[in-house]
Amino acid sequence: DQQVKQNSPSLSVQEGRISILNCDYTNSMFDYFLWYKKYPAEGPTFLISISSIKDKNEDGRFTVFLNKSAKHLSLHIVPSQPGDSAVYFCAASEGGETSGSRLTFGEGTQLTVNP
Amino acid sequence: GAGVSQTPSNKVTEKGKYVELRCDPISGHTALYWYRQSLGQGPEFLIYFQGTGAADDSGLPNDRFFAVRPEGSVSTLKIQRTERGDSAVYLCASSLTPWGTGELFFGEGSRLTVL
Repeated sequence: DQQVKQNSPSLSVQEGRISILNCDYTNSMFDYFLWYKKYPAEGPTFLISISSIKDKNEDGRFTVFLNKSAKHLSLHIVPSQPGDSAVYFCAASEGGETSGSRLTFGEGTQLTVNP
Repeated sequence: GAGVSQTPSNKVTEKGKYVELRCDPISGHTALYWYRQSLGQGPEFLIYFQGTGAADDSGLPNDRFFAVRPEGSVSTLKIQRTERGDSAVYLCASSLTPWGTGELFFGEGSRLTVL
């Protein structure tokens, strides 16, 4: 069972426009959500996160929105830049001291930003 | 070191052979994780160490997989009697604390190919 799903394998946008990446989850126990970015031949790197007590978190060009009732989150990148071209993974955690930081990842979305 | 270091970066082996993959986490990080990423998928949790002990090994697929972290720093993932289905990128990650934010620092991965 895929508890975190990214239904769009790829997304292509023009430089300067907004990129919107979507993620859906099924596990109601998830209380912390993250986005990771991955370039080829590199490990994923942390981008931005949001706690379930919030519905929005912003960091520069990156904003994550969480809709708990819909079990949906999205990552907005504005303005998009060619260097943002990468695979973006949505991840979720149940948090808590005993679960550590075990993350459940989605399948990823390949973002291509065209100059 | 400056980041999480994984060796080897590439390993090609034959079905039935034994393989060891090594991870050197960021200095001072007490928590260490192994994930596996198959082609077209997101990283999948295998095991999590807090110090020397495996706090959660529920992601290990079967008893052919084993991991150790004897001194609370370097970890080795061991795979016995490798099968073609074990082919994947094995990612190691570490974090300063094992709970809360879920922000993990990943290495570049070890790509395992079983022929």
